[in-house]
Parts: sequence; C-alpha cells; structure tokens
Amino acid sequence: GQSLEQPSEVTAVEGAIVQMNCTYQTSGFYGLSWYQQHDGGAPTFLSYNALDGLEETGRFSSFLSRSDSYGYLLLQELQMKDSASYFCAVRRMDSSYKLIFGSGTRLLVRP
Amino acid sequence: EAGVVQSPRYKIIEKKQPVAFWCNPISGHNTLYWYRQNLGQGPELLIRYENEEAVDDSQLPKDRFSAERLKGVDSTLKIQPAELGDSAVYLCASSPGQGSTEAFFGQGTRLTVV
Repeated sequence: GQSLEQPSEVTAVEGAIVQMNCTYQTSGFYGLSWYQQHDGGAPTFLSYNALDGLEETGRFSSFLSRSDSYGYLLLQELQMKDSASYFCAVRRMDSSYKLIFGSGTRLLVRP
Repeated sequence: EAGVVQSPRYKIIEKKQPVAFWCNPISGHNTLYWYRQNLGQGPELLIRYENEEAVDDSQLPKDRFSAERLKGVDSTLKIQPAELGDSAVYLCASSPGQGSTEAFFGQGTRLTVV
C-alpha cells in the first residue's frame, strides 16, 4: 500500500525559511506533488517532482529523493499569507493513477 | 477561465436524510475526482472518472454513496441515507487527463450531519 507521513504542525517567523518534510512508503509512483490549502479553501497545486532533485518556483522549492523515500517543500522569505496547510501527494504507478495525499502540515507564520 | 465549481458550499442535514453534491469541472477536463476531507486530514479519493466512466470507485461506500457523470461533464455525488460520520468536506477536482501532474480543486461542500 501507500502512506505518506508529514509533521502535523510547523511554526516559523515572517521572513524566515521553513522546510516541510514528507516521507513515504509506496511500491511505485510517478512523482511527488505539493498542494497548499488555506482554511476553508480549495487545495491548490504548488509543485511537482518527477525526478530526484530540486525544483524551484519563486519562493517555493521542492525536493525529491526516491532512494531515501523522502521529499520536502521549502518556503523562503515567509509571508503571513503562507499560513496554510501543505500536503504532499503521490500518483500511483498502476492502472488506477490514484492521487494519494498525506495528512498535511499546518504552517503558522508569526510576525 | 472558470475553475471547478461546486454547490452547495454548505449543507446541514439530519441523519438518515439524503443529500446530493454537484460539480462542474473545468471545460475540457476529462478526468474528474471526488474526494472526502475530514478535519485535519488530507483528501481521500472516493471515485475517479475518465469521461463518463468510473474507473476507480474502490473507496466509495457503495451501500450509501453513489455518483454519476452524465455526458462526461458535470457530476453529482449522493449519500442516502447520511450518517453522522459522513460529516466532512467533499471536494471535486478535475484534470485534463489521467496522466496529468496537476489536479484542480473546487472549494468543496462542507457537510454537517446532525
């Protein structure tokens, strides 16, 4: 089966850098995705890592290491609006193409 | 371009009553998902459609849940009868195809069963 583990909460200061980890147990997947969800809002896509390594999009970077079954999302120059839940997700490498989400990390950015 | 539209945004019903949710995906998106999200948890897949065909409904509690996607566009998800444990946010998402790396989510319907 598949499972993705994320720390439940992270607190950081405005302007700082924060890293949110995702460890997984899965028999095979196409890539690791990250989604952001504000309270009461829709999950929105942030990034996708198909291959090992770092992907950068503005203040957001995402990293994947398949050999370590590990990935992370890095947020730089934190802003108050970054306070939200962040979910990692994998798409199963079988006919189901199922997109499976972790339980999410709730990020609180403080002044 | 309009995103994924869901209605209603909120629904409160008594247990044992029926309830239905509606989803209009992004135009041209062949893949449609229904997810359930409990408080403090990630979304859990209930059913996935490719066009009008349900290709993965293994997580759908078929004794009380049903879904349809007529003409491969809009979709409805129904619960009958609802139970207290069904209280959650029901999210609809769509993507251009099953191999797409990104899923686009609607705002969801928050269901409260009392």
